[in-house]
Amino acid sequence: DAGVTQSPTHLIKTRGQHVTLRCSPISGHKSVSWYQQVLGQGPQFIFQYYEKEERGRGNFPDRFSARQFPNYSSELNVNALLLGDSALYLCASSSGLAGVENIQYFGAGTRLSVL
Amino acid sequence: GENVEQHPSTLSVQEGDSAVIKCTYSDSASNYFPWYKQELGKRPQLIIDIRSNVGEKKDQRIAVTLNKTAKHFSLHITETQPEDSAVYFCAAENTGNQFYFGTGTSLTVIP
Repeated sequence: DAGVTQSPTHLIKTRGQHVTLRCSPISGHKSVSWYQQVLGQGPQFIFQYYEKEERGRGNFPDRFSARQFPNYSSELNVNALLLGDSALYLCASSSGLAGVENIQYFGAGTRLSVL
Repeated sequence: GENVEQHPSTLSVQEGDSAVIKCTYSDSASNYFPWYKQELGKRPQLIIDIRSNVGEKKDQRIAVTLNKTAKHFSLHITETQPEDSAVYFCAAENTGNQFYFGTGTSLTVIP
């Protein structure tokens, strides 16, 4: 079985641009979560989607948006990029079922550099 | 939302000694607490987890303890080996199934 896959692996953008990151969950998983990991810090929760609906949102500005598609893959969009958006963006998938083996499996991440 | 604090931020131990990492959480309704190991340049990997109805769980050299009353949980690694060197993150899942992570502990096992 394929694990969580993310694309692209690396990305370089300039301030003010926008970016789209993609994630494909493990087959059978219906929940996708996005995290931002700044160097030396833990992953910070951005969004969670389950069955194509937003289930939760972390403390991030409206420049960050996401969506989940019928095949449960997901996109994270960031507009008007700032230097501080430079980070590793992690996607994690899980079954999405509350309380039962809701283990999160992480993708390898997309390293975003904003110049 | 949930707030997870993790200590220490760095930890160095001699090979064969034990390592303990501690986390506290704020949301008393959180009910699932995983620990992840992240090696340099790699994705976080789940190493052990515990649910709120259990006080302790062990898997070979790794154990996790949970004190729901005090809202803290700890990772214990015994007989440490150089390959245990990595960054370890604790996390708490709230009732909305969102995960909040600690800031990480960089563990170095000295041969």
